[in-house]
Amino acid sequence: AQKITQTQPGMFVQEKEAVTLDCTYDTSDPSYGLFWYKQPSSGEMIFLIYQGSYDQQNATEGRYSLNFQKARKSANLVISASQLGDSAMYFCAMRRYIFNAGNMLTFGGGTRLMVKP
Amino acid sequence: DGGITQSPKYLFRKEGQNVTLSCEQNLNHDAMYWYRQDPGQGLRLIYYSQIVNDFQKGDIAEGYSVSREKKESFPLTVTSAQKNPTAFYLCASSTRDRPNYGYTFGSGTRLTVV
Repeated sequence: AQKITQTQPGMFVQEKEAVTLDCTYDTSDPSYGLFWYKQPSSGEMIFLIYQGSYDQQNATEGRYSLNFQKARKSANLVISASQLGDSAMYFCAMRRYIFNAGNMLTFGGGTRLMVKP
Repeated sequence: DGGITQSPKYLFRKEGQNVTLSCEQNLNHDAMYWYRQDPGQGLRLIYYSQIVNDFQKGDIAEGYSVSREKKESFPLTVTSAQKNPTAFYLCASSTRDRPNYGYTFGSGTRLTVV
């Protein structure tokens, strides 16, 4: 069974510092995708970054980068130069393909990040 | 601009009533999903639909029902059989043509039982 684990329920980071949010996953599928979403207090889910299981390089999107360690089954999100607006819930998700159901995302329990001024 | 519209943003329900949450998308996406989120928790899948006139139960379908009569619409009914319906409900859609984009989400409906 596929499973996503985020072991940090809450984290603090000082403004302008970098922070790493942990995500481990479990799957036996050779092909999968990993996503990170941000959920501010307003509730909408904002797509941040994507990593494919066959991608050779770690994904980057602006201040976001994904530290993908396939052998360890981890896909940690790194946010550089934290800003007050980064305070939010962050969810790691894994895409898997299910026969007759198509692509499905499984979400981790989330990490609440709080940026201190 | 294309996107997903959920309405209403806030909904209050009396015990014993059925309520329907609306989800409409103009992205031409084939697949649509409903998730439930409790405070401080992750997302749990209620129902999903890959094509019109077909839908499947997710992990927590009991007490909920859906329909998919049109590609653009995937309404969720919270029935009186759902014993603890107070939660935040998110609708999402996706297309098999762009799997690397994951889901597009609506802005959610916050349901409270009064």
